[in-house]
Amino acid sequence: DTAVSQTPKYLVTQMGNDKSIKCEQNLGHDTMYWYKQDSKKFLKIMFSYNNKELIINETVPNRFSPKSPDKAHLNLHINSLELGDSAVYFCASTELAGDQETQYFGPGTRLLVL
Amino acid sequence: GNSVTQMEGPVTLSEEAFLTINCTYTATGYPSLFWYVQYPGEGLQLLLKATKADDKGSNKGFEATYRKETTSFHLEKGSVQVSDSAVYFCARTSGTYKYIFGTGTRLKVLA
Repeated sequence: DTAVSQTPKYLVTQMGNDKSIKCEQNLGHDTMYWYKQDSKKFLKIMFSYNNKELIINETVPNRFSPKSPDKAHLNLHINSLELGDSAVYFCASTELAGDQETQYFGPGTRLLVL
Repeated sequence: GNSVTQMEGPVTLSEEAFLTINCTYTATGYPSLFWYVQYPGEGLQLLLKATKADDKGSNKGFEATYRKETTSFHLEKGSVQVSDSAVYFCARTSGTYKYIFGTGTRLKVLA
């Protein structure tokens, strides 16, 4: 009964390829996120969707395209992968209880671009 | 720039030592404040949170108090264990839906 799940857990690919990462949450949350964590552990928000609508889009290259088919899923497609895309990508969803928010994170997808 | 500042790590302690990891923030208004923990190879887990001034969040022996006057949310534990070795992230909300994370502080606890 995993709350936030991501697939795949590991992804090794060549430069120039296109790949997708999938995320699903079974918590009933309306808001989901993608974060990128670099080798120094710095965590940067990329996108956020609320009820399938994009609400946060940080300055991320157009090669990254999120898609939310329903509010329980937020997938990330990456075109023309570059070496600098190597990182751990975390999906998260948010519980909004009144004014209190709590984020729940997935286990991460470790992407290595060769 | 990043409006959550954490002390740089790694912090290395012996088992049963007292832990403090400093966190300060800049914000207009009154954000919610959080500490997340990331164990090796895993995602971030919420450790504790506080939503208003003078609130104290606590969990698993860890505590942090929301100090508006010093804009701080320092993490403390009286007696650390080897199993506490992880990376700790301070975070705050930024408006609706958005979070800002600190750069993380790695804690190593030696037996």
